[in-house]
Amino acid sequence: GAGVSQTPSNKVTEKGKYVELRCDPISGHTALYWYRQSLGQGPEFLIYFQGTGAADDSGLPNDRFFAVRPEGSVSTLKIQRTERGDSAVYLCASSSGTSRGELFFGEGSRLTVL
Amino acid sequence: KNEVEQSPQNLTAQEGEFITINCSYSVGISALHWLQQHPGGGIVSLFMLSSGKKKHGRLIATINIQEKHSSLHITASHPRDSAVYICAVRGPGGGADGLTFGKGTHLIIQP
Repeated sequence: GAGVSQTPSNKVTEKGKYVELRCDPISGHTALYWYRQSLGQGPEFLIYFQGTGAADDSGLPNDRFFAVRPEGSVSTLKIQRTERGDSAVYLCASSSGTSRGELFFGEGSRLTVL
Repeated sequence: KNEVEQSPQNLTAQEGEFITINCSYSVGISALHWLQQHPGGGIVSLFMLSSGKKKHGRLIATINIQEKHSSLHITASHPRDSAVYICAVRGPGGGADGLTFGKGTHLIIQP
C-alpha cells in the first residue's frame, strides 16, 4: 500500500476483554515496530519484527501482550484481559530494515478500556 | 538503555521567530530521528540523521555525535508548524534496536 495502515482507528472495550490491533506496513518493508503512546507522553517501544520473527520484544509490558507477523507483512498486536491502564494510542511503523531505513508511521489505533 | 531528553517541553512563540528544539541522549546511537506529531494525528518523520546536518525547506536538523546532542531548527516559523516534535534514537545495533523516544516538545506558533 501507499502508507502504513492501522485498524481499527478507534477501539472501545471493557476491562477483561480481548483486543486485536492490526498493522499493514508499506509493501516490501521488512522491519515493523509497535509502539504505545499514552496521553502527554512520547511513544514507548513495544516490539520489533525483522521479517516474520520478533527481533526484540523487550518492550512488551507483560504476558498479556503478544504480537505476530506470520507472513512477514501484516502484523497483529494482541492484548488479553485488557486493563484500564492499557488505554493508549498504539502506533505501528515500518522501514526497509537497514540501519539507514527511514521510518514510516501509521495513524495509530486508539484503544480505550472502560 | 538510552535516556533521551528533550528541551524545552513546551514552547510558545510568535509567527516568524526562529525556533530551536534540543535533544540529548546518553548512549551511542546508529541514527537519530526527528518526528512531527499534530494533535490527533499520526507521526511524520522529518529527518533521520547519523552525522552532520540536514535541511528541508524551513527545517534544519543537526547532530553532534561526540556530544550526544541534536537540534531541530525552524526558520520563519508559521502557525502550521504548531505540533509536538519528538526526538527518537536508534541503538548502535541499527535496525535490530527498537527506538527510544523523548517525551516531545509541544510547540505553539501564534499568529
